[in-house]
Amino acid sequence: QSTLTQPASVSGSPGQSITISCTGTSSDVGGYNYVSWYQQHPGEAPKLMMYEVNNRPSGVSNRFSGSKSGNTASLTISGLQAEDEADYYCSSFTSSSSLIFGGGTSLIVL
Amino acid sequence: EVQLVESGGDLVQPGGSLKLSCAASGFSFSDSAMHWVRQPYGKGLEWVGRIRSKANNYATQYGASVKGRFTISRDDSDNTAYLQMNSLKIEDTAVYYCSKQGLTDWGQGTLVTVSS
Repeated sequence: QSTLTQPASVSGSPGQSITISCTGTSSDVGGYNYVSWYQQHPGEAPKLMMYEVNNRPSGVSNRFSGSKSGNTASLTISGLQAEDEADYYCSSFTSSSSLIFGGGTSLIVL
Repeated sequence: EVQLVESGGDLVQPGGSLKLSCAASGFSFSDSAMHWVRQPYGKGLEWVGRIRSKANNYATQYGASVKGRFTISRDDSDNTAYLQMNSLKIEDTAVYYCSKQGLTDWGQGTLVTVSS
């Protein structure tokens, strides 16, 4: 598998909640609790938003939460804000001791 | 404050070589694995590989598309990680980022363009 599967885009209005999915296999997402999420604004480097499925790094808003069920991980953003508009990527550790990224999801705040 | 500064990006011909550097500060570099991740313009992130710490025997791992062509190394005395890229292909054109263990912090990236 070359990439984890993410929706190309999701959208929501300010104040709403959205969820971005990240689907892999039992050799990556399903097999390990080492799923991370990154936010990337245009022209900037990615920023870690979630690690080990549901852990927020210091400084990341508690509006961001993570979960996993089987081979699918999810990132939920509640109380959407304009500044949340960005690209989001998931990643997972794999059975071959490598790392694999999702294809990325563009979040549009309406 | 963690700082990661990539350098060495350039325009290179197909089949050529290039070596990128990642200067690190603000954390215990010698204890940290270091990753390289790339991103073609307008596309997604791709993991290039990583080198672990001395305690983990400087073990390296690479993504399938670069295995056998790229080599990651490090100099703990200089807090610098390197990415040696050989037999470059047009599809290696991308911004290359370095990141520390856990991908908690990223550099600003350096652009590699492979073109004739």
